[in-house]
Amino acid sequence: GAGVSQSPSNKVTEKGKDVELRCDPISGHTALYWYRQRLGQGLEFLIYFQGNSAPDKSGLPSDRFSAERTGESVSTLTIQRTQQEDSAVYLCASSWDGNQPQHFGDGTRLSIL
Amino acid sequence: GESVGLHLPTLSVQEGDNSIINCAYSNSASDYFIWYKQESGKGPQFIIDIRSNMDKRQGQRVTVLLNKTVKHLSLQIAATQPGDSAVYFCAEKRGAQKLVFGQGTRLTINP
Repeated sequence: GAGVSQSPSNKVTEKGKDVELRCDPISGHTALYWYRQRLGQGLEFLIYFQGNSAPDKSGLPSDRFSAERTGESVSTLTIQRTQQEDSAVYLCASSWDGNQPQHFGDGTRLSIL
Repeated sequence: GESVGLHLPTLSVQEGDNSIINCAYSNSASDYFIWYKQESGKGPQFIIDIRSNMDKRQGQRVTVLLNKTVKHLSLQIAATQPGDSAVYFCAEKRGAQKLVFGQGTRLTINP
């Protein structure tokens, strides 16, 4: 399987807890994206990494959200002090570069109790 | 404000018929458009893309049409099959590789 891999596939946690979501992009893809998808909605851009450039964090909804990427490989999205409105599917995508189609993982379904 | 939107939230067609899913965009500066298919519990799957220097692009059973005059994008699926049932999203690239997605159209193929 050479697709984008995300873990965990499902995460249930209590309000106020921190969560960490992981994304393994397709090997060789320099661009990596995180999106949030609320139930029945389209995808909401969160953050974009391209090689060694500074990430585009313009979509992060609050300072409780942060993301890191190690070189051109794994990325983690961290949500601190989770709130119920954070409940959504968090999708990761990667592409060869910023001008190529993005390929998505199957997401992490996050539920905040 | 700027947005990418869809005319219909749901669409039902008979198996074997052709389907057309429409999308309107408002930013005339957008130069790249993509259609994705999303099945339940899965991430979006790339179907076809088109750049603004083209008005039509064909793939296997799918055709994307771009009308820049009225800022309209459509996805045509020929000879629909049960496996085509899914939510279809159009997306528009603005600025530095930031995709903006519409709300999606749920396509149901009736046997």
